[in-house]
Amino acid sequence: EAGVAQSPRYKIIEKRQSVAFWCNPISGHATLYWYQQILGQGPKLLIQFQNNGVVDDSQLPKDRFSAERLKGVDSTLKIQPAKLEDSAVYLCASSSVPDTQYFGPGTRLTVL
Amino acid sequence: DQQVKQNSPSLSVQEGRISILNCDYTNSMFDYFLWYKKYPAEGPTFLISISSIKDKNEDGRFTVFLNKSAKHLSLHIVPSQPGDSAVYFCAAHTQGGSEKLVFGKGMKLTVNP
Repeated sequence: EAGVAQSPRYKIIEKRQSVAFWCNPISGHATLYWYQQILGQGPKLLIQFQNNGVVDDSQLPKDRFSAERLKGVDSTLKIQPAKLEDSAVYLCASSSVPDTQYFGPGTRLTVL
Repeated sequence: DQQVKQNSPSLSVQEGRISILNCDYTNSMFDYFLWYKKYPAEGPTFLISISSIKDKNEDGRFTVFLNKSAKHLSLHIVPSQPGDSAVYFCAAHTQGGSEKLVFGKGMKLTVNP
């Protein structure tokens, strides 16, 4: 069974630029999550999708972050414009049952 | 407001000995708890979980203990192996309308040969 795929693996941008991350969840997993992991911290949930509907986006900075999950499969997370404090690893996870989430390798974003 | 706390940032043990990783939480409404393991440049991988109605769950070398009255859980690894060297995250699941995981900051375990 293929795992959660994410791209790119690394991205370096300057502040005020835009960036987008892509996630392909495990086939058949209805729930998809985007997390932000700042160095030295645990993952923090940004947004949770159930199929292509948003379940929880309470911690998503909506003035600059957006996410979509078209057709209930792939998802993209966008930051526009980026700030220095957005430097982090962005993790995508998916699950078929609530108690076990499978994570992708993450995208390490550096904002200069 | 940190609901899940891993107060020790690192732990170093000798191969073959026991590793004990601790986690404290503040929210009594968490319904189960999980441990994730993370190697560098990889995403976290699920290790073991425990329901809030149990006090122990064992899977091979890994055992998780839950003390609800103290709002404390611990992960025991016996015997520890060099391949166990990784960052371990404690996570708690919230029940209700928005089911999500709340993670601690993680603890780096180093098992020395």
